[in-house]
Amino acid sequence: DGGITQSPKYLFRKEGQNVTLSCEQNLNHDAMYWYRQDPGQGLRLIYYSQIVNDFQKGDIAEGYSVSREKKESFPLTVTSAQKNPTAFYLCASSIGTGGSQPQHFGDGTRLSIL
Amino acid sequence: AQSVTQPDIHITVSEGASLELRCNYSYGATPYLFWYVQSPGQGLQLLLKYFSGDTLVQGIKGFEAEFKRSQSSFNLRKPSVHWSDAAEYFCAVYNTNAGKSTFGDGTTLTVKP
Repeated sequence: DGGITQSPKYLFRKEGQNVTLSCEQNLNHDAMYWYRQDPGQGLRLIYYSQIVNDFQKGDIAEGYSVSREKKESFPLTVTSAQKNPTAFYLCASSIGTGGSQPQHFGDGTRLSIL
Repeated sequence: AQSVTQPDIHITVSEGASLELRCNYSYGATPYLFWYVQSPGQGLQLLLKYFSGDTLVQGIKGFEAEFKRSQSSFNLRKPSVHWSDAAEYFCAVYNTNAGKSTFGDGTTLTVKP
């Protein structure tokens, strides 16, 4: 079945450490997105990519980095510069960036600080 | 700038009762609107979407939503709630110029037996 796979499901980060969250999709979608979800704050966009080898900052990009070297993969690195990384991270994809296309979501990665 | 407001943080309804979740949006052009549902610890699933045509749209799991341009609203409804509908619900508006969506803060639905 086609879908989006996020790994790991749970991740722990030590102080000063960079960690990378994986997001893979086999839906042949062009656009991919990373969101951060905190209790009571809904989803906030970190980065998004409309096509391979291109990506844009979202609303809360500071302390994060991404790459889009392959159409099916959009990994997110949480750097040591992100001082409050504890959150639920969701990856999503859509066929394109046309407005009528809904986003398909992975099941998320929960990141915690040790 | 576009925005989405879900005025109700938490709603509790009895099983079998009707449900309406409110969503108000701010967007300059004709909006592309979505409702998603999220179960605990999982990703979001699309319930329904509106981008043109009939202002009453039908979705999965018996949900429907009505687009009212004059009120800038896109409220989600269900005539009879089931215990399995307990979840968090998100309204979203898509910005065609920016190529990205803005989500509301969500409404948590609790269903009483």
